[in-house]
Amino acid sequence: DIQMTQSPSSLSASVGDRVTITCQASQDISNYLNWYQQKPGKAPKLLIYDSFNLEKGVPSRFSGSGSGTDFTFTISSLQPEDIATYYCHQYDSLPFTFGPGTKVDNK
Amino acid sequence: QVQLQESGPGLVKPSETLSLTCSVSGASIISYYWSWIRQPAGEGLEWIGRISSSGNTNYNPSLKSRVIMSVDTSKNQFSLKLTSVTAADTAMYYCARLTGGPIYWGQGTLVTVSS
Repeated sequence: DIQMTQSPSSLSASVGDRVTITCQASQDISNYLNWYQQKPGKAPKLLIYDSFNLEKGVPSRFSGSGSGTDFTFTISSLQPEDIATYYCHQYDSLPFTFGPGTKVDNK
Repeated sequence: QVQLQESGPGLVKPSETLSLTCSVSGASIISYYWSWIRQPAGEGLEWIGRISSSGNTNYNPSLKSRVIMSVDTSKNQFSLKLTSVTAADTAMYYCARLTGGPIYWGQGTLVTVSS
């Protein structure tokens, strides 16, 4: 199985801050990586697909980059509605695996 | 718009079989793979497996011995059975289309394993 790690596991940030989350795969997954946002009691919501493509309707303050084993997710200017947990997800190889999540809360 | 809706018992007894169905509306299940994912309260996401519209399956090795997936194209539905459940199987269960085009998730259904 491909193991996905995320850093940090949690962070506190203020509105307007730049937030960066990293995701590392245990082997090369090309760009077969998605980023999801999940709020309590809700299903995950796709934000970024294929490592860097912004899902339709998602604000441009969200972005992703990377390929191979190292990936980065950025919120350029944190908004109150961005308080959530963020997961990376690899779909290069079966079984599909998710990162453990990064919880973003208000400082 | 495309909607996925999970249904099934919210309470299952230990050692029994968990059975869930995902009904897809707004899109045909033909020619795609459809997945099940679960999430225990306060924990991360675990992919259970997937099934194609023709019935091809891929299961997570961690659950493979207890998972059975099926599909009913006439009803535009697919299903999950998880046998011999324990309290560790208590989780929110989601159905989703994770690859092959636009990604869709159901809202999830909570299944509790308890006597």
